[in-house]
Amino acid sequence: GESVGLHLPTLSVQEGDNSIINCAYSNSASDYFIWYKQESGKGPQFIIDIRSNMDKRQGQRVTVLLNKTVKHLSLQIAATQPGDSAVYFCAEKPGYQKVTFGTGTKLQVIP
Amino acid sequence: NAGVTQTPKFRILKIGQSMTLQCTQDMNHNYMYWYRQDPGMGLKLIYYSVGAGITDKGEVPNGYNVSRSTTEDFPLRLELAAPSQTSVYFCASSRQGAGANVLTFGAGSRLTVL
Repeated sequence: GESVGLHLPTLSVQEGDNSIINCAYSNSASDYFIWYKQESGKGPQFIIDIRSNMDKRQGQRVTVLLNKTVKHLSLQIAATQPGDSAVYFCAEKPGYQKVTFGTGTKLQVIP
Repeated sequence: NAGVTQTPKFRILKIGQSMTLQCTQDMNHNYMYWYRQDPGMGLKLIYYSVGAGITDKGEVPNGYNVSRSTTEDFPLRLELAAPSQTSVYFCASSRQGAGANVLTFGAGSRLTVL
């Protein structure tokens, strides 16, 4: 069936550098694409979403880019901090259906 | 506000035992969900509910049951526990419509079946 997946299982970034976490999706009918952050021992936490008719959306230190041509989603984190260490999940939501989560990418911030 | 509260946080079950994971939310959200997360994996939807009295199956409903008698509560019942049900279980809630993108998760319940 259709699914959301990630290119890299683990990403190591130097503190202060920018991080880019990538995600490939296959369901062209999704209306929203969403990023969640899960810190160790906690439940996932919503970061940012983007509607399918947009190609870029910015939040506080985060930017999500959507490329519908190649079905690619990315999360950029500016000036990565130790507190950004976590597993990041991309997710998608087609219309009135439920949110479907991908496998996740672990971000390790090197002090 | 407490958000989404799950109990218990940890539980060890023997094969064949039954138990209920409790979940309650105080945000007046219509939608509630149960996910399971196996080690190093993503979240798989077990059951969800769009309102009191309404429940529906997700991707992996076998071996589980739910009920939604009130807006606040969405318990998950495991009947005849099996080792394959060893996992971390997350309850979540959301508003409906466009707000359904923003799931608020509980802290999780870690279940081990031996």
